[in-house]
Amino acid sequence: QKEVEQDPGPLSVPEGAIVSLNCTYSNSAFQYFMWYRQYSRKGPELLMYTYSSGNKEDGRFTAQVDKSSKYISLFIRDSQPSDSATYLCAMSDEATNDMRFGAGTRLTVKP
Amino acid sequence: DADVTQTPRNRITKTGKRIMLECSQTKGHDRMYWYRQDPGLGLQLIYYSFDVKDINKGEISDGYSVSRQAQAKFSLSLESAIPNQTALYFCATAQGGQEETQYFGPGTRLLVL
Repeated sequence: QKEVEQDPGPLSVPEGAIVSLNCTYSNSAFQYFMWYRQYSRKGPELLMYTYSSGNKEDGRFTAQVDKSSKYISLFIRDSQPSDSATYLCAMSDEATNDMRFGAGTRLTVKP
Repeated sequence: DADVTQTPRNRITKTGKRIMLECSQTKGHDRMYWYRQDPGLGLQLIYYSFDVKDINKGEISDGYSVSRQAQAKFSLSLESAIPNQTALYFCATAQGGQEETQYFGPGTRLLVL
C-alpha cells in the first residue's frame, strides 16, 4: 500500500462546476499538507498549503484536512478551463522532513 | 529568469552510458531535491540535500548519485543508465524550517534506449 493514495482520474467537468479532489494517507506523522498544480510539460507549482487539520480558503480554492480520517481535499469553485491541469497532493513529516506525493489527478474543465 | 533551472530539458541516451542532470537555483534556498515522475506513480524522491555538506537518500536512490557543488547547484548522475530510468526528472528547492513549500524546476525528460 502506498503511503499516499490519490485517484489519477482523469476527471472531466463543465466550466463552472465545483471540483473535489481527494487524497488519503497512512502515515499519522504527516503534519504539512499541500496541493500542487502541474500544467502539461511544466514543473509542479504550489497551490495551497495547510498545517495540521482544518480548512484554508484562497479565492476559488479551499483545502481541507481531516487528520482523524487521514483524508485531505481540494475544492475548486466556479471551475475554469484554465484550471485544467494535474493536481498533486503532497504531505510531509516535520520530524523527518520526508515528503510524499500522490500520483496526481488529471483534471479537464470543458468550456 | 526562472528561479530553478534544469539542464538539459530533454535527453536521449543509450543503456550503460553515464549521464548528468544539472540543477541551479537563484532563490537562495539551502534545501534541494531530485525527484522522478512516472505516469501513475507521482513524484518519487531520489536524493535530497539540506546544505552543501549534507546528502540524503530518498525513496529510490539505487542507480543514482548526486553532488551538491554549491548552495545553488545540485546535480544528479546516472552512472550506468538503464531503460527503466526513462522518466521525467524534477529538481526542487525549499527554504526549510516551518516553510515546507518546494519550488520546482521545469523538468528534464530522459529517454534511455
